[in-house]
Amino acid sequence: QVQLVESGGGVVQPGRSLRLSCTASGFTFSSYAVHWARQAPGAGLEWVGVISYDGGDMFYTDSVKGRFTLSRDNSKNTVFLQMNSLRPEDTAVYYCARDGGPGTYPNWAYNWLDSWGRGSLVTVSS
Amino acid sequence: EIVMTQSPATLSVSPGERVTLSCRASQTIRVNFLAWYQQKPGQAPRLLIHGISTRAPGIPTRFTGSGSGTEFTLTISSLQSEDFATYYCQQHSDWPLTFGGGTKVEI
Repeated sequence: QVQLVESGGGVVQPGRSLRLSCTASGFTFSSYAVHWARQAPGAGLEWVGVISYDGGDMFYTDSVKGRFTLSRDNSKNTVFLQMNSLRPEDTAVYYCARDGGPGTYPNWAYNWLDSWGRGSLVTVSS
Repeated sequence: EIVMTQSPATLSVSPGERVTLSCRASQTIRVNFLAWYQQKPGQAPRLLIHGISTRAPGIPTRFTGSGSGTEFTLTISSLQSEDFATYYCQQHSDWPLTFGGGTKVEI
């Protein structure tokens, strides 16, 4: 069955960096875009960004542009979220999720999130 | 960006009742690009519906999505005990993707 597992979360000081990983199984990973979303404590969902199935395209929400970077290694079925210059407002549970269908250019993402990992907590605090 | 607004924030209902959740977009969503998710405490969200009305695999038929333009609705025909949760809408038309603030369905 489709499974995504996030790892790499923890407590980090403001201004520092952290890298999250999302490892997938149960489907042809190299055919799907992968999204990240986050949820601050007691808050709703916020989309963070998406990376195309081949890693050639990425889009981010404005609040993380220039600080967060997505990459992927299809040989290891893994997507990475590199988070730099972290702020207290980045504190959240970070989820990775598979895109709604296998992508092909130019429409490489369906943009609904059909399978989610269980999340990884990132706490930014001094 | 497209702002999604859900109402009400909280809905108190009894099992067996029919429930209607609303979601409004700040601008017309092209084609049918609207999804709904269910989230229970301590769990990841689960996709219920995409494309306004297409149920994800395994989603019971009591969940129905409808609407167009800027106004969308999720209807649960007869609320079951396992349906008490928070529900989010999400536009999947344009980047950045955006979610509504959620509607909590409670007993």
